[in-house]
Amino acid sequence: DTGVSQDPRHKITKRGQNVTFRCDPISEHNRLYWYRQTLGQGPEFLTYFQNEAQLEKSRLLSDRFSAERPKGSFSTLEIQRTEQGDSAMYLCASSPSGFGETQYFGPGTRLLVL
Amino acid sequence: KQEVTQIPAALSVPEGENLVLNCSFTDSAIYNLQWFRQDPGKGLTSLLLIQSSQREQTSGRLNASLDKSSGRSTLYIAASQPGDSATYLCAVNRNFGNEKLTFGTGTRLTIIP
Repeated sequence: DTGVSQDPRHKITKRGQNVTFRCDPISEHNRLYWYRQTLGQGPEFLTYFQNEAQLEKSRLLSDRFSAERPKGSFSTLEIQRTEQGDSAMYLCASSPSGFGETQYFGPGTRLLVL
Repeated sequence: KQEVTQIPAALSVPEGENLVLNCSFTDSAIYNLQWFRQDPGKGLTSLLLIQSSQREQTSGRLNASLDKSSGRSTLYIAASQPGDSATYLCAVNRNFGNEKLTFGTGTRLTIIP
């Protein structure tokens, strides 16, 4: 399967712990996006990369959140000192480098903070 | 700030009927609009993408229209099937150079066999 993959698919953690999620985009896609989706809501934009450069960050991305894409391939999203409000589905998407291209989404990582 | 609204939040129709889902957005300065499907607990599947210069796009039983000036889009599903049951989300992409998608809250569609 050559789609977007995310790991892990589910994560349960205790409040205050750090968690890290991984996203592997479609191989020829230069752009990679992170979104967060809470129950009953549409996804909300967090951040996006063009190759290894992080070009935009949402105000939702507090200083406890950090995202990287070190070699312009896979990306990681880390949440430090998790809070119950961080419980959500974290979605990754990728797209080719042209403007306005379709974004292809992965299956998501569902995070539950106890 | 762009706001995207989808009404109704939920819809149930008998199998075989045609149906229309609605999406409205407050800022008409969009580059394109996309319709996605999301099955419970899963990621999003892109259905149709309409560029701001286009009026509609079709794929199989799906037809999406866009009226940029009035800030509206519709997704028409013909001859609905139980497998069409899912949440349908619309999302807009702002003008050239801003790649983030702004999503609506979705319409949860149930097709009754």
